[in-house]
Amino acid sequence: ETGVTQTPRHLVMGMTNKKSLKCEQHLGHNAMYWYKQSAKKPLELMFVYSLEERVENNSVPSRFSPECPNSSHLFLHLHTLQPEDSALYLCASRKTGYGYTFGSGTRLTVV
Amino acid sequence: RKEVEQDPGPFNVPEGATVAFNCTYSNSASQSFFWYRQDCRKEPKLLMSVYSSGNEDGRFTAQLNRASQYISLLIRDSKLSDSATYLCVVKAGNTGTASKLTFGTGTRLQVTL
Repeated sequence: ETGVTQTPRHLVMGMTNKKSLKCEQHLGHNAMYWYKQSAKKPLELMFVYSLEERVENNSVPSRFSPECPNSSHLFLHLHTLQPEDSALYLCASRKTGYGYTFGSGTRLTVV
Repeated sequence: RKEVEQDPGPFNVPEGATVAFNCTYSNSASQSFFWYRQDCRKEPKLLMSVYSSGNEDGRFTAQLNRASQYISLLIRDSKLSDSATYLCVVKAGNTGTASKLTFGTGTRLQVTL
């Protein structure tokens, strides 16, 4: 375990479903991130929460909605997704001046 | 032009071989550079940071050429356990935790007997 825990590890959802991905870290890090990794593409930054301030990524569709209730927890709420949203969703956290720690990811399949 | 560009490979090398990966980046204002390793169906893990003067960690040597916007990773005496995808990662600016990491698509290495 890396210290960054993501649940669930695997998720299959229909296009009309609503689901949430969860990320948790108790490393004392002060920033958390959502990344998307699709096949044969580089990791794409979706959202950053830094010191509880969200940094928008205007290229991310509104069907993805992040929530960061505190510095240890991060959620990604999903609704009306498309098949092309199937990917590995990685959470990462970081403390200022230190490297990034990734969670194991949630492998999402939209059917 | 991609922000971070890598040869996707795969690089197939025998055990004990020396292999080098290259990476170029487009943002001349980039401040920090890293190599991450990602095993199949696992999360990326930091392998090493890349410093301007070059740095070594055991069998791994990283080099940075700011003028050419080029980063390299050299692996000596390859082991079977080195088989993975190696991600070149660049951080733009130094604005604290909100600064963005940009990943390359990765170079896949397969070490064989």
